[in-house]
Parts: sequence; structure tokens; C-alpha cells
Amino acid sequence: DAGVIQSPRHEVTEMGQEVTLRCKPISGHDYLFWYRQTMMRGLELLIYFNNNVPIDDSGMPEDRFSAKMPNASFSTLKIQPSEPRDSAVYFCASSLVGAREQYFGPGTRLTVT
Amino acid sequence: QKEVEQDPGPLSVPEGAIVSLNCTYSNSAFQYFMWYRQYSRKGPELLMYTYSSGNKEDGRFTAQVDKSSKYISLFIRDSQPSDSATYLCAMSDTGGTSYGKLTFGQGTILTVHP
Repeated sequence: DAGVIQSPRHEVTEMGQEVTLRCKPISGHDYLFWYRQTMMRGLELLIYFNNNVPIDDSGMPEDRFSAKMPNASFSTLKIQPSEPRDSAVYFCASSLVGAREQYFGPGTRLTVT
Repeated sequence: QKEVEQDPGPLSVPEGAIVSLNCTYSNSAFQYFMWYRQYSRKGPELLMYTYSSGNKEDGRFTAQVDKSSKYISLFIRDSQPSDSATYLCAMSDTGGTSYGKLTFGQGTILTVHP
């Protein structure tokens, strides 16, 4: 059974460009989470969805960040415009039971120059 | 002060040693406690979770929760080089929009050398 799938695995872009990160959760999971991981701040929850509906986006750093989940098998995290301080590893995770037993994808390593 | 505090280490132990990893927290509403293991350049993977206080054992791993002290631990017996990774504690409460929210510690880097 496939796990959480993220694409791209690596992204290098220039400041000011739009970046779109993609996630396919595990089939049947109705919670989807987006996290950001940096050395300084650790793993931070950005936003999470339940049944495709955003429940809590209080972790989204600013209006440059947006996330959508148009259906149960696909979500995007968009940064527009990107800045060097957005450089981090972005993880998507999904679960059946809310916060418990979250399954993480391999992450997207974003570098903004 | 962060809601969850975890000593980042690094921690280096010889193969076969007993490893103790710890986290403290300040939010008394936390009810679920988890330990994740993260290998280099990989996503975190769930090792164990416990509900409320008490102990839970799974093979070489034992998780302990002491809610009165707001302190959780993960013990690894007979540590192996394959246990070398970053270990993250995580916690959540069960109310309202917090149902989906995990708060992570900074992670402890563990190296087990042969």
C-alpha cells in the first residue's frame, strides 16, 4: 500500500517566484496536515484539513501561504511570492484519527535563493 | 517558553546501551503522547503512542508518561546502530479544533556507535 506521496522532492527557485507543493494522502485517511521543518524552529504545523475542509490554519506564517484540498486524494501548498526565509523541508501527513497516528510523506526540500 | 521542551542532544551511546529520551510540557490539556523517529532526509515515522499516564512497551521500546510532572520518556533497550536517528516527542489534546493538532518537541539526535 502506497504511503503519503509528495512532489516535487526538491525545489530550487528564485525569490519572488510562485512555488506549489503537492500531496497525495493515504487512501481512506480523512485528515491531512502540512508541516514545515527547519533547524531553528523544528517541526511546525501549518494547516490541517478534515474531510477536505480546512480546520485550523493558525500556523500559516502569512498571506503568502495558501493551501487547498479540492478532493480527498490531493492537496496543494502554495507560496506566492517566495522568499529566502521560506527555505525548509515541507512535510505532508495524513491520518484516520486526527492527531494520533499521523503518517508522514518523504517531504519536499525547498530552497529559495 | 515553548509548550514542549526536548533536549536536542546530540546523544552518543555505545551499541547495547539503554537510551533514555525525555520531554517536558506545560499544557495540562495534553492527553495523547507520541514518539516519532526520523532518519536523515526522511519523514518522521510513528514509533509509539500512549493515552494519558502510564507505561507502554513495544519490543525494545518503552514509553512512559507522568502527567503529574508533565514529563514523558522513551527508553530504548539494547540499542543498535540502526536506532541512530532523531527522536521527536509529540502531544495533543482532544478538544475542538485541537483534535488534529500535534505539538512537537525539537527532537533529540541519537547516535549509536558499534
